[in-house]
Amino acid sequence: GENVEQHPSTLSVQEGDSAVIKCTYSDSASNYFPWYKQELGKRPQLIIDIRSNVGEKKDQRIAVTLNKTAKHFSLHITETQPEDSAVYFCAAIGFQKLVFGTGTRLLVSP
Amino acid sequence: DGGITQSPKYLFRKEGQNVTLSCEQNLNHDAMYWYRQDPGQGLRLIYYSQIVNDFQKGDIAEGYSVSREKKESFPLTVTSAQKNPTAFYLCASSMQDRQQPQHFGDGTRLSIL
Repeated sequence: GENVEQHPSTLSVQEGDSAVIKCTYSDSASNYFPWYKQELGKRPQLIIDIRSNVGEKKDQRIAVTLNKTAKHFSLHITETQPEDSAVYFCAAIGFQKLVFGTGTRLLVSP
Repeated sequence: DGGITQSPKYLFRKEGQNVTLSCEQNLNHDAMYWYRQDPGQGLRLIYYSQIVNDFQKGDIAEGYSVSREKKESFPLTVTSAQKNPTAFYLCASSMQDRQQPQHFGDGTRLSIL
């Protein structure tokens, strides 16, 4: 089945810096890759997703890139702000179900 | 997402007791899911259902049971066989299309008395 690895587990940046979170997946048939943001005690919320027919997608300060050959995808956050502090999860669609990475705790210091 | 309602928000279980967590959605989604999240951990799939009257075990189904009698509802029962039930439980739903995101409820925090 699908296996998703996510790095780093913790990421600390200064406000205004960029943050990059990387994920790898194992199933070459996976074709959908969402990213979720979860604030403490809250539900995960979808922030961006990418399908396998594109290599990059951008939404304001957030972008996701996908390399199908290498089976990895990354989340890029530019001009980070303190409100970006949260746990971020990547995921890949496996057979009938999403498989989640273990999460990255992002801390943005003012 | 306002379309998925989980209740209660907090739940306490006594030894030997079964408890049921409610999940209702009005998004007309075919698929529904239950996840368990432990402190500082990721999401682990307990059970999922692609269609009414059908469901499959996820990665950590032991000690849990579900039913899917209605499209809108997917209740999760935490049985006494689940020896370590303290966790944050999240319900999600999605369209049947594999390339559609899952939408989550606000979660139920279960603790042992």
